Amino acid sequence: TQLLEQSPQFLSIQEGENLTVYCNSSSVFSSLQWYRQEPGEGPVLLVTVVTGGEVKKLKRLTFQFGDARKDSSLHITAAQPGDTGLYLCAGGGATNKLIFGTGTLLAVQP
Amino acid sequence: DAGVTQSPTHLIKTRGQQVTLRCSPKSGHDTVSWYQQALGQGPQFIFQYYEEEERQRGNFPDRFSGHQFPNYSSELNVNALLLGDSALYLCASSYGQGAYEQYFGPGTRLTVT
Repeated sequence: TQLLEQSPQFLSIQEGENLTVYCNSSSVFSSLQWYRQEPGEGPVLLVTVVTGGEVKKLKRLTFQFGDARKDSSLHITAAQPGDTGLYLCAGGGATNKLIFGTGTLLAVQP
Repeated sequence: DAGVTQSPTHLIKTRGQQVTLRCSPKSGHDTVSWYQQALGQGPQFIFQYYEEEERQRGNFPDRFSGHQFPNYSSELNVNALLLGDSALYLCASSYGQGAYEQYFGPGTRLTVT
């Protein structure tokens, strides 16, 4: 069974701080997506990484796919209250069934 | 360009009843996947439809069934509802069965009492 563990589970920080969220598995994935979800809404796709070692930047967010394609990280620089939400990583295999991580709930205090 | 739409937004049912949830995929997409998300957890894969057939299924009982129509829209049916079926049901669409980017709808919040 493929599992994705995220850490930390909860994170409460002050505006302007930096943070990193980790997504780890013992399984290899063909692709890794990161989503952000706000209460009562569906997950919104932030980024997809497919190559081991790949780094993608989206404004203040930096995403990295591990060399072995088993893990990923999301780094946020100078967090803002608008970054608050549930961050989910999801791994894809040969078909596009997604295995979701356990989630990281981020709260950025103004 | 319309995104993924789902209906209804909220639904309250009683144990033992049956429910049907609906999803229209993003324009240009032909594959629909359904997920169940319990409060505070990540979504769990229920099944995926492509070319009007169920192509993959997660660890959900036969009480969960679905359908895909020629226009690519989809329905999720749940029979004999249990209290534990209370969750946010998410529909995601993509183009092609092998594509890895999925776009989610806002979900249907199902409450079973």
